[in-house]
Amino acid sequence: AQSVTQLGSHVSVSEGALVLLRCNYSSSVPPYLFWYVQYPNQGLQLLLKYTSAATLVKGINGFEAEFKKSETSFHLTKPSAHMSDAAEYFCAVSEGGGGNKLTFGTGTQLKVEL
Amino acid sequence: GAGVSQSPSNKVTEKGKDVELRCDPISGHTALYWYRQSLGQGLEFLIYFQGNSAPDKSGLPSDRFSAERTGGSVSTLTIQRTQQEDSAVYLCASSVGASSYNSPLHFGNGTRLTVT
Repeated sequence: AQSVTQLGSHVSVSEGALVLLRCNYSSSVPPYLFWYVQYPNQGLQLLLKYTSAATLVKGINGFEAEFKKSETSFHLTKPSAHMSDAAEYFCAVSEGGGGNKLTFGTGTQLKVEL
Repeated sequence: GAGVSQSPSNKVTEKGKDVELRCDPISGHTALYWYRQSLGQGLEFLIYFQGNSAPDKSGLPSDRFSAERTGGSVSTLTIQRTQQEDSAVYLCASSVGASSYNSPLHFGNGTRLTVT
């Protein structure tokens, strides 16, 4: 069975600072991994995905994530935070076989301060 | 184009009542998913429909929960005899196909259910 652990339910950064949101996964098969973002009162929107190609994945809004098999991690980063990045971020892993039945982490609320 | 539409956006019901939540997927999307988002618990998979195949109901928490998808399009999630622990945001998502490699999930804005 797959699982995802997101360390830190709340992260606060200053505008212009580095954003680092942590995600570790557990999977018995090579995983497909995802980061989704949820703005207030909206559904989830795909930021980026890892599907066994390049280990460094670039997504929308300047975010990127690096798949590290040895650390079973898929941390999300952005070099410079913007106020508009304030949202909740979810890491997810696909059920074996690359299906769309995803197991999500508990989410990290990102706050960006002036 | 139109995204995934869910109705109602908010629903308040009394404990013990039945509720129906509706999801209109993106036209042409063959796969449809229901997730439940509870405070501090992330998203929990409930049920998955793919084309004409039998649905994957492995995430439904009890037999009070059921869902159907009529005509391969609109889906209704029904919760019978609602309990306070059913209070959550219910999210629907659809995708062109079943593969996460090339058909990402598109989520609706959810239905916030409050059971009093």
